[in-house]
Amino acid sequence: GAVVSQHPSWVICKSGTSVKIECRSLDFQATTMFWYRQFPKQSLMLMATSNEGSKATYEQGVEKDKFLINHASLTLSTLTVTSAHPEDSSFYICSARDSTGATDTQYFGPGTRLTVL
Amino acid sequence: GNSVTQMEGPVTLSEEAFLTINCTYTATGYPSLFWYVQYPGEGLQLLLKATKADDKGSNKGFEATYRKETTSFHLEKGSVQVSDSAVYFCALSLSGGYNKLIFGAGTRLAVHP
Repeated sequence: GAVVSQHPSWVICKSGTSVKIECRSLDFQATTMFWYRQFPKQSLMLMATSNEGSKATYEQGVEKDKFLINHASLTLSTLTVTSAHPEDSSFYICSARDSTGATDTQYFGPGTRLTVL
Repeated sequence: GNSVTQMEGPVTLSEEAFLTINCTYTATGYPSLFWYVQYPGEGLQLLLKATKADDKGSNKGFEATYRKETTSFHLEKGSVQVSDSAVYFCALSLSGGYNKLIFGAGTRLAVHP
């Protein structure tokens, strides 16, 4: 199946700094990508839907100024956690939607673990 | 609201045992239902899906039947292998496609020889 990569796979940063996470679809073009957050032993929570060339759509309760999403190309979406604080520590997962073939399928990246000190 | 509840893990089984992971949902409208699997160090992969009541999704020996009357989508496999050890997520989507997936908490399965 199609491959979605995330970079970095893990990151540790100091409180108050910003962190950028990249999500790439390696062998298909994705007009739509999704960003999820997962707390230990909990569900994946959808944060936002990212559409190429337009503003992201954020879920209720997600601060758009804190979690900046950019989907500048059909193969890359970025999530920037601005002024990170310890409560932002989490596992962030992206997915990319391949709607070009016969099957409309969402492919997931391996996730990025963020730890804010 | 819309939600998915699945049994807590971990589930520990011997090889060739029968597997059931329960999943129930609450949804407005008519959701599509999915099972995803996450192997260690990898991203989530779609295991199977069902888009309407009484549909049965199947893949790699796993099956799940969309039961509208009990709002359930339980995952089953007749004979598990060590290679099935992973975390399994039940999910629903209300758009009928792959938008806005709502996930359960995940169930870790450990199969030992």
